[in-house]
Amino acid sequence: ELKVEQNPLFLSMQEGKNYTIYCNYSTTSDRLYWYRQDPGKSLESLFVLLSNGAVKQEGRLMASLDTKARLSTLHITAAVHDLSATYFCAGRTTSGTYKYIFGTGTRLKVLA
Amino acid sequence: DGGITQSPKYLFRKEGQNVTLSCEQNLNHDAMYWYRQDPGQGLRLIYYSQIVNDFQKGDIAEGYSVSREKKESFPLTVTSAQKNPTAFYLCASSIIGLYGYTFGSGTRLTVV
Repeated sequence: ELKVEQNPLFLSMQEGKNYTIYCNYSTTSDRLYWYRQDPGKSLESLFVLLSNGAVKQEGRLMASLDTKARLSTLHITAAVHDLSATYFCAGRTTSGTYKYIFGTGTRLKVLA
Repeated sequence: DGGITQSPKYLFRKEGQNVTLSCEQNLNHDAMYWYRQDPGQGLRLIYYSQIVNDFQKGDIAEGYSVSREKKESFPLTVTSAQKNPTAFYLCASSIIGLYGYTFGSGTRLTVV
């Protein structure tokens, strides 16, 4: 059964600093997603990573996937306050019907 | 514009009542999903459907029921058997086998 774990759960960082959020998954997942959620809002899709070594970048966020290590990372470069949100990763089961399993989320707070 | 619409945005339920949350999509997506999110928590899968007139239980289906009579619609009923229904409910849809979810804006359910 696919399980997805994120760390850290909470992250408070200064503007201008760099940091990485980690997403580990327990069994084979044929793709990995990253989402952003603002307080009281729905989830917004950020990245989908489809293969080993995949790297996607959008602004100050960069996501990567290592399927051998069952690890995805979301790297934040020179953080700004607008990046404050909760970030979720999600894997997709590869057997039976497709289900998306979410991590518990990382709540990021960027301090001015 | 194509999208996925959830209604109502806020819903209040009295003890012992059944309530139904609406989810409609005009994206022509095959699959639809219901998730529950508790404060500070990740998303937990309630039910999902990949085809009309068929649906499967997720991880926390007890106390909930769904129907999928039309491709566009996937309503969720929170029954009186669900003892702790206060949560944020998110509906999502996807094309099976491709990309990720499109999420609705969510329904916040509170028991009064």
